[in-house]
Amino acid sequence: QKEVEQNSGPLSVPEGAIASLNCTYSDRGSQSFFWYRQYSGKSPELIMFIYSNGDKEDGRFTAQLNKASQYVSLLIRDSQPSDSATYLCAVNRANNLFFGTGTRLTVIP
Amino acid sequence: NAGVMQNPRHLVRRRGQEARLRCSPMKGHSHVYWYRQLPEEGLKFMVYLQKENIIDESGMPKERFSAEFPKEGPSILRIQQVVRGDSAAYFCASSGQGTNQPQHFGDGTRLSIL
Repeated sequence: QKEVEQNSGPLSVPEGAIASLNCTYSDRGSQSFFWYRQYSGKSPELIMFIYSNGDKEDGRFTAQLNKASQYVSLLIRDSQPSDSATYLCAVNRANNLFFGTGTRLTVIP
Repeated sequence: NAGVMQNPRHLVRRRGQEARLRCSPMKGHSHVYWYRQLPEEGLKFMVYLQKENIIDESGMPKERFSAEFPKEGPSILRIQQVVRGDSAAYFCASSGQGTNQPQHFGDGTRLSIL
């Protein structure tokens, strides 16, 4: 079983819609969870991090964490073409980040 | 620029040569991490260092790869006797003190082996 699993996509949404990205993890001891955005040929860029169960909002982004279900999600409201990228879910254990393979999102104008 | 600085951005080596990748952490950060990303694959943890200490090298290949973070200067990831399979993007990240701190990534070094 992989440490972190994501649907590889591609996920296509129309401009202005909500994009929903999902991630599951295997280690119940994981304590912190991160979402990174990576444009093709570029480095990962930190978007959100969440430590506690529930929702955390920052602008158009909302991270959701459910530790009982070992599930993390990222919602992007009012999606823009510039949001088109690969979104990486990462789980921190012993100060090391374990990454999913990413979900490729395309926002269609 | 107070971000994580990596150099070179691109590095070309022939099989059997040595590759040295450098990383200076973000200002105020003392923890450095190296990751490797193969084409169409996810990021894989390699090593976690603090100044003059290797904290976790569980992701490092057993041979040819080494890393250091000296008291002065950048962190270095060294690959000896490179092979074609070493071609990848190598990313460095840094974080501040404490556990579970967010890691911020540099622009990476794209290593190509001829």
